[in-house]
Amino acid sequence: KQEVTQIPAALSVPEGENLVLNCSFTDSAIYNLQWFRQDPGKGLTSLLLIQSSQREQTSGRLNASLDKSSGRSTLYIAASQPGDSATYLCAIPQGGSEKLVFGKGTKLTVNP
Amino acid sequence: NAGVTQTPKFQVLKTGQSMTLQCAQDMNHEYMSWYRQDPGMGLRLIHYSVGAGITDQGEVPNGYNVSRSTTEDFPLRLLSAAPSQTSVYFCASSYSADSGNTIYFGEGSWLTVV
Repeated sequence: KQEVTQIPAALSVPEGENLVLNCSFTDSAIYNLQWFRQDPGKGLTSLLLIQSSQREQTSGRLNASLDKSSGRSTLYIAASQPGDSATYLCAIPQGGSEKLVFGKGTKLTVNP
Repeated sequence: NAGVTQTPKFQVLKTGQSMTLQCAQDMNHEYMSWYRQDPGMGLRLIHYSVGAGITDQGEVPNGYNVSRSTTEDFPLRLLSAAPSQTSVYFCASSYSADSGNTIYFGEGSWLTVV
């Protein structure tokens, strides 16, 4: 059974810092991996989707990488801003379906 | 497009009561699902549907019932509410059941069972 782990559970950084969020998974036979953002009291918003054949995806200041062999993905946020404060979750589908297994998330606080 | 709409936003139930959480999407998505989010447990899949008339169980289906009579709607029914069902519930949809599509989530429904 796929297990997804995100460490640390919480991270606090000063504005402007570059940072990396980590996601690890136990079964390397994955189809893709998604990173989501969740604001307090809100639903999840998809940030980046990396297919198993890709090594990274970029969207603006966000860059997600995938290393299947080591069971790891990272989300790199450049020049962090207070508006980046949120919980970031990674998720992996079970098999080839849309049934997602989620990590418990990293709560990011960017201090002005 | 409204995206994925969930109602109600907040609900308090007494133990043993039943209720239905509504979920509707206007994107003509085939795949819809319900998750619950609990502190320390993360998001867990309750039920899902790959199209109208087709539903299946996820990781934590006990105490919940679903139906999919139309493409747009995917209601979640709590048959006899228990305090253990106090949680935040999220409905999600995507274009198809095949992995690799953008998944859209509703804003969530906060349920308290007393």
